Formats: sequence, C-alpha cells, structure tokens
Amino acid sequence: NAGVTQTPKFQVLKTGQSMTLQCAQDMNHEYMSWYRQDPGMGLRLIHYSVGAGITDQGEVPNGYNVSRSTTEDFPLRLLSAAPSQTSVYFCASSSPAGGRSYEQYFGPGTRLTVT
Amino acid sequence: TQLLEQSPQFLSIQEGENLTVYCNSSSVFSSLQWYRQEPGEGPVLLVTVVTGGEVKKLKRLTFQFGDARKDSSLHITAAQPGDTGLYLCAGRLGGTSYGKLTFGQGTILTVHP
Repeated sequence: NAGVTQTPKFQVLKTGQSMTLQCAQDMNHEYMSWYRQDPGMGLRLIHYSVGAGITDQGEVPNGYNVSRSTTEDFPLRLLSAAPSQTSVYFCASSSPAGGRSYEQYFGPGTRLTVT
Repeated sequence: TQLLEQSPQFLSIQEGENLTVYCNSSSVFSSLQWYRQEPGEGPVLLVTVVTGGEVKKLKRLTFQFGDARKDSSLHITAAQPGDTGLYLCAGRLGGTSYGKLTFGQGTILTVHP
C-alpha cells in the first residue's frame, strides 16, 4: 500500500492564480481531511469529508474548495491564491476503529509559496 | 485563541534528561492523540487515549489523559537524540465527526548528544 500520496511536493504560485492540490489514499478510508501547517500554529483543519459525496468545512475554509467524488481522492482547490495561503498542506485519511479511537494517516505534505 | 494549548513551545535538553509536554483545554474531548512529526514529513500517531485518567506507556514515553478529559501530558524518560522532533496533541470534541480533529500548536523538542 502506498498510504496517502500528495502531489505536487512543492509549488510556487503568483497571487491570483488557481491550482489543485491532489491527495489520494489506497486504504479504503472513509474519512479524509486537509490541514495547513504554519509556524507556531500547529495544524488547522481546512475541509474534511466523511465519505464520497460528503464534505464539510473545518476551521479555516475560506479561499479553498474541495470535492469527494470517489473514496480514494480528495483534491483541494485554491480559487485565487493569496500570499496568506503560503503554507505546508497536509492531507490525511482515517477510519473509525473501536468506536472512539482511530488513527489519522498523513501524506508527506505540499509546500506552497504564493508570491 | 487555540482550543488546545501546548506547552512549552520549545524544549532544548541534553541526552538523558527527562521532560514533560502539556496539552490543556477548557473543553472536554472524547479522545486525544499525540503525534510526532519529523522535518519534511507528515505527523505520525504515537498514541490515542480515550478514558479519563488513562495512562499509556510506549517504551520511554508515558501519556496521561486528565480525569476530566480536558488535558493530557507526554513524559519522556531519559531522552535520546532520536526523540528530536515536533510533538503535537490533537483532540476530538464530543459529538463531532470522527474526521474533525483539533490540534495544539506543537512542541519542538531538541535533544543534544
């Protein structure tokens, strides 16, 4: 199993450009999430999905869109990039086990710079 | 304001010393997890605690969940350079989706040989 894969690993955008960060998992996990990581702020949840066709907003959703057409894929779209979106983006997947405990599996991250 | 407050933010110690990292909140969590992250990689789960007062041990690491399920601690005994990394606590609030985790700011630990 490849686990959670993310592409690209690095990306530089100009302000106003749009792009899609790709995320895929091969573990048949129901839940998938997107986080951004900024220095001193830990990981903040952008959007998450509890299954194909179902998405919801997290803590910092503005400027981002998601869709979940398949169990495997959960792309994150930046509609019009801004310098404030410079960050490291992590995709994660998980599946409930034992009712209350579960593990989130993270991808290797995408480092995005917006100039 | 962070829902989960981690302290300290930075910790620099010598090999062999003991340390404790704290994760505090005013909210009650159904479960709390600790992750470790190395540079250039995603976080990796260390432990999940779900019961108030629960203590779990993973070799030299001891994790505790507060009785009221509002706080947690990570204690490392006889730290080694291989323990160096970013430690993150993450909790799921009661009644929220399994896909929705809240993270603390993280503690950057450096263990010097």
